[in-house]
Amino acid sequence: NAGVTQTPKFQVLKTGQSMTLQCAQDMNHEYMSWYRQDPGMGLRLIHYSVGAGITDQGEVPNGYNVSRSTTEDFPLRLLSAAPSQTSVYFCASSYSAEQETQYFGPGTRLLVL
Amino acid sequence: AQSVAQPEDQVNVAEGNPLTVKCTYSVSGNPYLFWYVQYPNRGLQFLLKYITGDNLVKGSYGFEAEFNKSQTSFHLKKPSALVSDSALYFCAVRDATGTASKLTFGTGTRLQVTL
Repeated sequence: NAGVTQTPKFQVLKTGQSMTLQCAQDMNHEYMSWYRQDPGMGLRLIHYSVGAGITDQGEVPNGYNVSRSTTEDFPLRLLSAAPSQTSVYFCASSYSAEQETQYFGPGTRLLVL
Repeated sequence: AQSVAQPEDQVNVAEGNPLTVKCTYSVSGNPYLFWYVQYPNRGLQFLLKYITGDNLVKGSYGFEAEFNKSQTSFHLKKPSALVSDSALYFCAVRDATGTASKLTFGTGTRLQVTL
């Protein structure tokens, strides 16, 4: 199993550009989440999904969209990038509500100029 | 609302000495508590968790944590630190009635183990 994979590893955007961060898992996990990690602030939940076709907002959802058309994929879209979205983004998955352990991808480092 | 506090930005320990990384939490109901570790340029890796049962939880790489309900704490411990333990450690909590996806993380504690 590849686990949780994320692409790209690093991206530079200009203010106002849009892009999609890809996340995929091959463990048949129902739960998937997107976090951003900023210095001194830990990880903050952006959006999450409890299964295909179901998504919900986390702590910091503004400026981001998600969809979950398949169990495997959970892309994160930046609609109009802003410098405040410069961060490291992590995707995570877990099997179910009873399986508490989350598995994290390697992260995407995003720089918005 | 649930929250986690990691009061120390950095903990310095000599190799072979015991280590403690502190974590306190706040939830309205019963807590589910976790520790994750992050090595440079990597994603987070699960170390251990407390769901219910014995207050002393044993996890990966010789780490353990003690759940203390009265002090609302879940400190991470290891009897003998290794240089390879140097990393960023995150405590996380969620209310038992919430979903697995809605973890709240602390700000992280950097552990530096020196020879």
